[in-house]
Amino acid sequence: DTGVSQDPRHKITKRGQNVTFRCDPISEHNRLYWYRQTLGQGPEFLTYFQNEAQLEKSRLLSDRFSAERPKGSFSTLEIQRTEQGDSAMYLCASSQTGNQPQHFGDGTRLSIL
Amino acid sequence: EDQVTQSPEALRLQEGESSSLNCSYTVSGLRGLFWYRQDPGKGPEFLFTLYSAGEEKEKERLKATLTKKESFLHITAPKPEDSATYLCAVQALGQAGTALIFGKGTTLSVSS
Repeated sequence: DTGVSQDPRHKITKRGQNVTFRCDPISEHNRLYWYRQTLGQGPEFLTYFQNEAQLEKSRLLSDRFSAERPKGSFSTLEIQRTEQGDSAMYLCASSQTGNQPQHFGDGTRLSIL
Repeated sequence: EDQVTQSPEALRLQEGESSSLNCSYTVSGLRGLFWYRQDPGKGPEFLFTLYSAGEEKEKERLKATLTKKESFLHITAPKPEDSATYLCAVQALGQAGTALIFGKGTTLSVSS
């Protein structure tokens, strides 16, 4: 059990560019979650996968955001046409079942210039 | 609307000075309440899950308790390494395996 891994840890980009983040969950965890955290706030839910199926999306997830989990393993979160307000820490978490705790990675910090 | 409120926002303690953090929640039906610890620049680290009123969990100097409206995280004789932000989150019934609703956290500073 090596924990949830996220890549990159930091991303700096110019407004209007596209960015993609990757998350590798704990092996055998079939549930994978994406959250966003801004300074001084708790994490806010973005979306959730069970295996390869995306089962829930928050209204925070605008049409510029897309997430995938091919083959039910790693997941990617893409943000198109980035805006200043997208600057945040993007956290990934995984769990074995719906009743088990979610375990988080150390996140990708996105800074928009 | 499901909501979590944590207090205080910040807490400064001397080493050995015990205290409690509060998490008040409003949820249509509680599936579980979770406590996490978060260090600067890191993701939240899972501490405890509580499922029903009256339940208690302990780990080293930390003890979490749950009532029908709030949870407390008691810290006994804290050490400087306990300094972190402590986050409380709830998962509502009907959302098994989905969103955790987090509070804003309590930032604890313990000085020697």
